[in-house]
Amino acid sequence: NAGVMQNPRHLVRRRGQEARLRCSPMKGHSHVYWYRQLPEEGLKFMVYLQKENIIDESGMPKERFSAEFPKEGPSILRIQQVVRGDSAAYFCASSPLPPETLNTEAFFGQGTRLTVV
Amino acid sequence: TQLLEQSPQFLSIQEGENLTVYCNSSSVFSSLQWYRQEPGEGPVLLVTVVTGGEVKKLKRLTFQFGDARKDSSLHITAAQPGDTGLYLCAGADYKLSFGAGTTVTVRA
Repeated sequence: NAGVMQNPRHLVRRRGQEARLRCSPMKGHSHVYWYRQLPEEGLKFMVYLQKENIIDESGMPKERFSAEFPKEGPSILRIQQVVRGDSAAYFCASSPLPPETLNTEAFFGQGTRLTVV
Repeated sequence: TQLLEQSPQFLSIQEGENLTVYCNSSSVFSSLQWYRQEPGEGPVLLVTVVTGGEVKKLKRLTFQFGDARKDSSLHITAAQPGDTGLYLCAGADYKLSFGAGTTVTVRA
């Protein structure tokens, strides 16, 4: 009964490279959310996906960032041509139902800490 | 845009003391959730409050939800070093929207 699995836990990229962050939701969960967190700050919403669909990407920068949640396999957050400002912890969460469903819990992964050098 | 404001931003107390952190929303969500996050880990859900005026207790933690369902508080009695962490409130509609959190440090 594994929880939300994110990999890698730590990722170092040089400026201009691509970063690919993976998230495997809990079994049976079809709702995936990506959040970004800077040190000593809360979590900033980036994108909400269901299987094969992007529901809300209002928190994603318009350029260089993309996300997918294919029918098979993990959800991927891709950052192209990374810059130093992209350095942060990126968290993925999954839930079996939409958040507005009463008493639905979102389970978080341990995050991927991206460092751009 | 719905905003969640948490206060204080930082709180440092001695073991055995009590503490309260606050969460205030600019509007009403379907429910409000409290999470605790330890360094290097993801947030873990503590409680969900739904009904105005609701009070929930989890051992030494007491959660209150205001009558208007816009404000909430978390009270910890006789804090212990293990309570140290970042406490986050989140409003749930079709996604979770988080406040900036309160960093709590309990000194032994």
